[in-house]
Amino acid sequence: LAKTTQPISMDSYEGQEVNITCSHNNIATNDYITWYQQFPSQGPRFIIQGYKTKVTNEVASLFIPADRKSSTLSLPRVSLSDTAVYYCLVKNYQLIWGAGTKLIIKP
Amino acid sequence: ETGVTQTPRHLVMGMTNKKSLKCEQHLGHNAMYWYKQSAKKPLELMFVYSLEERVENNSVPSRFSPECPNSSHLFLHLHTLQPEDSALYLCASSQGLAERYEQYFGPGTRLTVT
Repeated sequence: LAKTTQPISMDSYEGQEVNITCSHNNIATNDYITWYQQFPSQGPRFIIQGYKTKVTNEVASLFIPADRKSSTLSLPRVSLSDTAVYYCLVKNYQLIWGAGTKLIIKP
Repeated sequence: ETGVTQTPRHLVMGMTNKKSLKCEQHLGHNAMYWYKQSAKKPLELMFVYSLEERVENNSVPSRFSPECPNSSHLFLHLHTLQPEDSALYLCASSQGLAERYEQYFGPGTRLTVT
């Protein structure tokens, strides 16, 4: 049983900011929240990870509210190459992946 | 070579064949994983190794047999597979098993069972 819930798909346009929200109501104290990106016929690629509040790196930001029951991946100024499936993973000892969000970026 | 490599990238095998998938990580990590990814399904964790010891086996059929001879190499031995075993098989590694360690994935082996 997946511990996370994400939208199945999203569309956006080049240059826009995209926010993908993941719900994880049963998150445990020790769980980290990790986001991965996957292109067709490739392995997932780590994007960002956080435990609470906000984390930012060179490609994305991750917002986590105080109750940690959800998180939002923010991709600034997307391009066509950001078209991929994005996975939210709530990670403790068990590694249960959800179905991911298929993001399509249009010109 | 950097990162996580997998060979072969594509494999077609009959149901009576025996083959092996190979994974090698060049990151100095201590944990390695095998995943199965079928079309339109989430990634399914198959096996987890930490410091060459198997720590998890998620009810995987015995026709899949993992081997981890050292912390850099991971194999998946296949025999008498079924057509429903056709999938993308992904290897990953991480620094350790703790929650804070992200996984690094290889490109996968696309397996077709005929």
